[in-house]
Amino acid sequence: GQNIDQPTEMTATEGAIVQINCTYQTSGFNGLFWYQQHAGEAPTFLSYNVLDGLEEKGRFSSFLSRSKGYSYLLLKELQMKDSASYLCAVMDSNYQLIWGAGTKLIIKP
Amino acid sequence: ETGVTQTPRHLVMGMTNKKSLKCEQHLGHNAMYWYKQSAKKPLELMFVYNFKEQTENNSVPSRFSPECPNSSHLFLHLHTLQPEDSALYLCASSQDPGGPYNEQFFGPGTRLTVL
Repeated sequence: GQNIDQPTEMTATEGAIVQINCTYQTSGFNGLFWYQQHAGEAPTFLSYNVLDGLEEKGRFSSFLSRSKGYSYLLLKELQMKDSASYLCAVMDSNYQLIWGAGTKLIIKP
Repeated sequence: ETGVTQTPRHLVMGMTNKKSLKCEQHLGHNAMYWYKQSAKKPLELMFVYNFKEQTENNSVPSRFSPECPNSSHLFLHLHTLQPEDSALYLCASSQDPGGPYNEQFFGPGTRLTVL
């Protein structure tokens, strides 16, 4: 079966760095997405990785290792507004998105 | 208006009621999706429409009936629901349903409670 694993919840301190991991087992691979979802709001796109390596976009970076079935989202200089759920999703061989359950990130002052 | 809009934002209904959820996208996309989001569970894909034609139906019970009159509008008709159907229902759109880098844009969702 297809499976996406990510931690249920993480806590970090304002101004610090946090890494949210995602491991996957899917039928084929056509890219990995990270989305951010604030409580009661729509998920919004953060990043897309299809090749191995690190993609940097401001305070957020996303890493992919296809051989290990592994990705992480790195958030630097954490701000209170970064408190949200972070969803990992993999596009399989049928170009269908397989979603993880999300990681709830709590930022403390 | 821009992006993806959904109405209503909140809905409470009894098990014998009939109601409809509406989604509209203003992005010129060709594909639209219905997802169910339950607490602490992955997003569940329910239906996919491409150019108004249904291309995916992930074994969704018949009490959920989708309708896509054009590429900009998507409805989810609900009847005789069960309490376990209570969830956040998200609509999304993308340029195409397949192909790499197919970023999906989501609406704010409808919070459905079935009594």
